[in-house]
Amino acid sequence: AQKVTQAQTEISVVEKEDVTLDCVYETRDTTYYLFWYKQPPSGELVFLIRRNSFDEQNEISGRYSWNFQKSTSSFNFTITASQVVDSAVYFCALSEASSGTYKYIFGTGTRLKVLA
Amino acid sequence: GAVVSQHPSWVICKSGTSVKIECRSLDFQATTMFWYRQFPKQSLMLMATSNEGSKATYEQGVEKDKFLINHASLTLSTLTVTSAHPEDSSFYICSARLLRQGGSGNSPLHFGNGTRLTVT
Repeated sequence: AQKVTQAQTEISVVEKEDVTLDCVYETRDTTYYLFWYKQPPSGELVFLIRRNSFDEQNEISGRYSWNFQKSTSSFNFTITASQVVDSAVYFCALSEASSGTYKYIFGTGTRLKVLA
Repeated sequence: GAVVSQHPSWVICKSGTSVKIECRSLDFQATTMFWYRQFPKQSLMLMATSNEGSKATYEQGVEKDKFLINHASLTLSTLTVTSAHPEDSSFYICSARLLRQGGSGNSPLHFGNGTRLTVT
């Protein structure tokens, strides 16, 4: 069965520190998609990145970077030089082709607090 | 970019009444919309998949008679919480995927801003 695990419930860092948010997934599909979303206190979900199962290339976008490793079923997210505005809950999600509708299964989220 | 509008953003109702939440895709068509529920400090739990012109598909454990979903057009889906009770108080979020050819799995979901329901 599909599953997404975000073992870190809450992380606190001081501004300018680097922080990595872990995501481990389980799936039997060979075709699947992984996503990261940010949920600030206001509640809306902000799309950050998607990655398909055939593309293990890591990606960097500004201070954000993602490390996708199929061998360990992980899709970790690193914020470099964190800022207070990065404080939010971050969700990792899995979408499987076999579901037909590509519905998302979310992890439990990691609450990141960046302290000034 | 694709925008999903959800209304109302918050609602307080008395126990026993029904509440309707609207989810609209403003600048794109969506054959499929998803309804999620989020309890405080918890993850998003998929409630149902809303398909335009057909019945919604509910996840296990979700009462379809209590959470009525209608997807009358390619841009509008509604969730009605019938005979609401305090335990239905939660944050409800809808999402939609841009309709495009060639498969949609790689397209990210666009989320509404959510509706905070409080049942007194």
